[in-house]
Amino acid sequence: EAGVAQSPRYKIIEKRQSVAFWCNPISGHATLYWYQQILGQGPKLLIQFQNNGVVDDSQLPKDRFSAERLKGVDSTLKIQPAKLEDSAVYLCASSLDGTGRMNTEAFFGQGTRLTVV
Amino acid sequence: AQSVSQHNHHVILSEAASLELGCNYSYGGTVNLFWYVQYPGQHLQLLLKYFSGDPLVKGIKGFEAEFIKSKFSFNLRKPSVQWSDTAEYFCAVSSSGGYNKLIFGAGTRLAVHP
Repeated sequence: EAGVAQSPRYKIIEKRQSVAFWCNPISGHATLYWYQQILGQGPKLLIQFQNNGVVDDSQLPKDRFSAERLKGVDSTLKIQPAKLEDSAVYLCASSLDGTGRMNTEAFFGQGTRLTVV
Repeated sequence: AQSVSQHNHHVILSEAASLELGCNYSYGGTVNLFWYVQYPGQHLQLLLKYFSGDPLVKGIKGFEAEFIKSKFSFNLRKPSVQWSDTAEYFCAVSSSGGYNKLIFGAGTRLAVHP
């Protein structure tokens, strides 16, 4: 089965510019996650979707970050404007069902490494 | 709120040594527990998982973990490590009911020397 696809793999931008990341989850997976992983730290959950609805975005810096999953399949994460501290790897993951009705694990993409200069 | 604590940030071992990586979590309800591994240049992969039942779970590549509910712990073990186990290991927890946020620890970087 195909895995979680993310693009681009790498991105370098200047501070105050905008950037967008794309994620295509595993087919049939209802739950989609975006994580931020700063060097030396564990992944931090930014936003979690169940189908096309947001179920948790408590750690998403909403003044500059936005995410959507319009048709309940692929998703985009945007940063506008970027700051130096946004330099990180942005990970997308999906799971069959993150509602707790069934216990499933999350599958991760390769990530997008963002460098803000 | 859920949180995960991994005790060792860096571990260095020689091949054939035994491994134990500590993981404690903070959550009052029923949990699902995971260990993920990230080999150099690769994406996060599931090593093993605990949902319910036998608290001693076996994963891929000879790894196992034991869930001790009274200690809120889920330590990872391997009796004899190999050079190819060099990687970063992440413990993660999700709540077993409702929308289960998957929360990660800070990770442990393991280096195995031949």
